[in-house]
Amino acid sequence: GENVEQHPSTLSVQEGDSAVIKCTYSDSASNYFPWYKQELGKGPQLIIDIRSNVGEKKDQRIAVTLNKTAKHFSLHITETQPEDSAVYFCAASDGASYDKVIFGPGTSLSVIP
Amino acid sequence: EPEVTQTPSHQVTQMGQEVILRCVPISNHLYFYWYRQILGQKVEFLVSFYNNEISEKSEIFDDQFSVERPDGSNFTLKIRSTKLEDSAMYFCASSEAGTNEQFFGPGTRLTVL
Repeated sequence: GENVEQHPSTLSVQEGDSAVIKCTYSDSASNYFPWYKQELGKGPQLIIDIRSNVGEKKDQRIAVTLNKTAKHFSLHITETQPEDSAVYFCAASDGASYDKVIFGPGTSLSVIP
Repeated sequence: EPEVTQTPSHQVTQMGQEVILRCVPISNHLYFYWYRQILGQKVEFLVSFYNNEISEKSEIFDDQFSVERPDGSNFTLKIRSTKLEDSAMYFCASSEAGTNEQFFGPGTRLTVL
């Protein structure tokens, strides 16, 4: 089955700087890669996703890139703000499964004002 | 904005007891999911449900677990005989037909004593 790794496990950045979180996956059949933000005491919130036919996707200060050959994908947050502080999870579909998603271990992001 | 709701927010039970966790998915969604997150660990897929039957389940989802959609709005997870290791946050999620985008509820914290 699919295995998702994520780095770093913790990340501290100054407000206004960029943050990058990187993930790798194992199953070349995976075709859907969502990113979730989890604030303390809340459920994961989908912030952006990318599908295997697209190399890059951007939504305001957030961008994701996907390299299918290398089986890795990344989340980029620019102009970070204190409210970006949270745990971020990458995830990948379990092969070509339509509804089973495997999460990475998470990155705790702290944005220092 | 429509959201997934879950009750109760916190459930405390004795080992060996049955628990039922309840979820109300977003009303026009047709796919439903349960995940669990042991404290400080990654979010783990348990089961997906579509058209009144299980479509995928993980190795965690053994005979002690069952899911049901008893009416047009609720989606439940039952654990027949709870173990200490079942203590975790349980998240319900739902998605529309034709998309992988899963929207998560706030979770139920299950504590087994």
